[in-house]
Amino acid sequence: GAVVSQHPSWVICKSGTSVKIECRSLDFQATTMFWYRQFPKQSLMLMATSNEGSKATYEQGVEKDKFLINHASLTLSTLTVTSAHPEDSSFYICSAPDGAGVEKLFFGSGTQLSVL
Amino acid sequence: KQEVTQIPAALSVPEGENLVLNCSFTDSAIYNLQWFRQDPGKGLTSLLLIQSSQREQTSGRLNASLDKSSGRSTLYIAASQPGDSATYLCATISTDSWGKLQFGAGTQVVVTP
Repeated sequence: GAVVSQHPSWVICKSGTSVKIECRSLDFQATTMFWYRQFPKQSLMLMATSNEGSKATYEQGVEKDKFLINHASLTLSTLTVTSAHPEDSSFYICSAPDGAGVEKLFFGSGTQLSVL
Repeated sequence: KQEVTQIPAALSVPEGENLVLNCSFTDSAIYNLQWFRQDPGKGLTSLLLIQSSQREQTSGRLNASLDKSSGRSTLYIAASQPGDSATYLCATISTDSWGKLQFGAGTQVVVTP
């Protein structure tokens, strides 16, 4: 079945560095990718929606210059946390529908980011 | 804006008991509602998806109901097992927000042997 492969699963970095998270769709083409983050004890919140070949759409309150999203191909979307700070420590997860409908959304396994 | 609330936030039951997890949402204009399972530090596993026109869905020991008019959904897990210990999330997709899931904060379930 359709799978979204997300890497890395966890990353620890120093404050001020940049971190790239990749989500690859396997066996299907992901024209759209949704990026969520989850702070401890809180719900998953949508950060942005990326569409292949066009600029990502960011939710209110999400800094587009800090969270760079690239969706250059139908099978790869990346989220780069630039100049990460401790407050960016969170669980990041991607999701993609496998077709025109949204009945079936496939999730990556998530990335736990810890910024020291 | 859709708000999804899950009660209780945490639940602990002995093995064999039935679990009842509640989810409420403020905007009834939903496309569907889904229940997910999340294990610590891991991704999401889709459990059940209920279309807006449906009243319930069943899969094995799991049954989820949907009452759009009252903005509620309930997940029942029969004869709980220690392996059911996880956080359960409900999420809606609104009719005007294609593909964007609005999640509740989850119910953390512990099933003790």
